Amino acid sequence: EVQLVQSGVEVKKPGESLKISCKGSGYKFDTYWIAWVRQMPGKGLEWMGIIYPGDSDTRYSPSFQGQVTISADKSTSTAYLQWNGLMASDTATYYCARPVNTGSFDGFDIWGRGTMVIVSS
Amino acid sequence: QSVLTQPPSVSGAPGQRVTISCTGSSSNIGAGYVVNWYQQLPGTAPRLLIFDNTNRPSGVPDRFSGSQSGTSASLAITGLRAEDEADYYCQSYDSSLSYSGVFGGGTKVTVL
Repeated sequence: EVQLVQSGVEVKKPGESLKISCKGSGYKFDTYWIAWVRQMPGKGLEWMGIIYPGDSDTRYSPSFQGQVTISADKSTSTAYLQWNGLMASDTATYYCARPVNTGSFDGFDIWGRGTMVIVSS
Repeated sequence: QSVLTQPPSVSGAPGQRVTISCTGSSSNIGAGYVVNWYQQLPGTAPRLLIFDNTNRPSGVPDRFSGSQSGTSASLAITGLRAEDEADYYCQSYDSSLSYSGVFGGGTKVTVL
């Protein structure tokens, strides 16, 4: 079964660092892009960025460039989303997603269940 | 403010047809970038309904269909059912945003 398994709920304080994960299984991980999507409480979906694990080609939304770091380790079939100084406004659910077709940017049909990040003092 | 504009809500009675519009510009939908549509039920991850403007993944009922023309796209739901009550999002790419992905603001579909 093709799936993306995300790490669990995180509760952090402002200023702390965090790295959440998204592990792919059931397919050749390094041949599909992985996107990260933010959903703040009660709000819509926001595109954060995308990475190709095969060569770590990474593209960020201008809104998130410099705010987060997206990386991937193809040896463990895992993609990561990282912050170096969390803010309360980072409180959200973060999803990873994989597109329908290898090497393409078309629709994303495989989604992780989401990682809820709560940032509070 | 989202780059892609969707109506906040649409509603319809069971069995009716509803459509959701997604209005973009010459830097996204009008530039030929594909439009994808997602359904999100409360507390769950999004589900892909339509990709590449008109294609349905396996398992998605043919009650859902997509179209695209100029700088806009639409999702149609025919034979509306209670389980279709959810949030719906369009998604494309935008050359003015470093070819980043972009989502519409979302549309809440209510089944009366």
